[in-house]
Amino acid sequence: EIVLTQSPGTLTLSPGERATLSCRASQSVDNYLAWYQQKPGQAPRLLIYYASARATGIPDRFSGSGSGTDFTLTISRLEPEDFAVFYCQQYDSSPKTFGQGTKVEIK
Amino acid sequence: QVQLVQSGSELKKPGASVKISCKASGYTFTGYSINWVRQAPGQGLEYMGWINTNTGNPTYAQGFTGRFVFSLDTSVSTAYLQISSLKAEDTAVYYCARGTFLDYWGQGTLVTVSS
Repeated sequence: EIVLTQSPGTLTLSPGERATLSCRASQSVDNYLAWYQQKPGQAPRLLIYYASARATGIPDRFSGSGSGTDFTLTISRLEPEDFAVFYCQQYDSSPKTFGQGTKVEIK
Repeated sequence: QVQLVQSGSELKKPGASVKISCKASGYTFTGYSINWVRQAPGQGLEYMGWINTNTGNPTYAQGFTGRFVFSLDTSVSTAYLQISSLKAEDTAVYYCARGTFLDYWGQGTLVTVSS
């Protein structure tokens, strides 16, 4: 199974700052990669699919890039509501797998 | 609007079974697969597998074979997750989610296994 490794584990930033989250796959997943945001007590929410396509209703401050094994989620200017845990997931091969998550916390 | 509504929290004793439902609305049920995801307390997301809503064929991830069963009732647009021989380590929130890249999620069902 494909292993996804996210870094850093925790990112401590202030509102208005730029956040850059990384996801590395143990083998190529082409562009079959999604990003999710999860806030405490809530279900995850799809942000990005096909590595760079924003899901419906997702603000354009969220952007995804990459292909193959290296992917990035960028939040251009953090809003207070953006602080959460973010997960990447590959759906190139079965079973779909998640990364372990990156927590973006308020400085 | 697309919704996945899951059944309520469950408290079970070790060795018992539980069946969680995930009722879909707002779209053609057989047009999208249903995935199942587990989240243990304070932990990350763990992919359990998926079920083809056209054929009913389930696919289980490693670690979720044997005691875990995915099923459907397409007449009521509902998917089910049954877990048998429950263990304390099955305590978690279980989510259903739609489609290839999990674009809509249920609200989650907390299963607590405790004697």
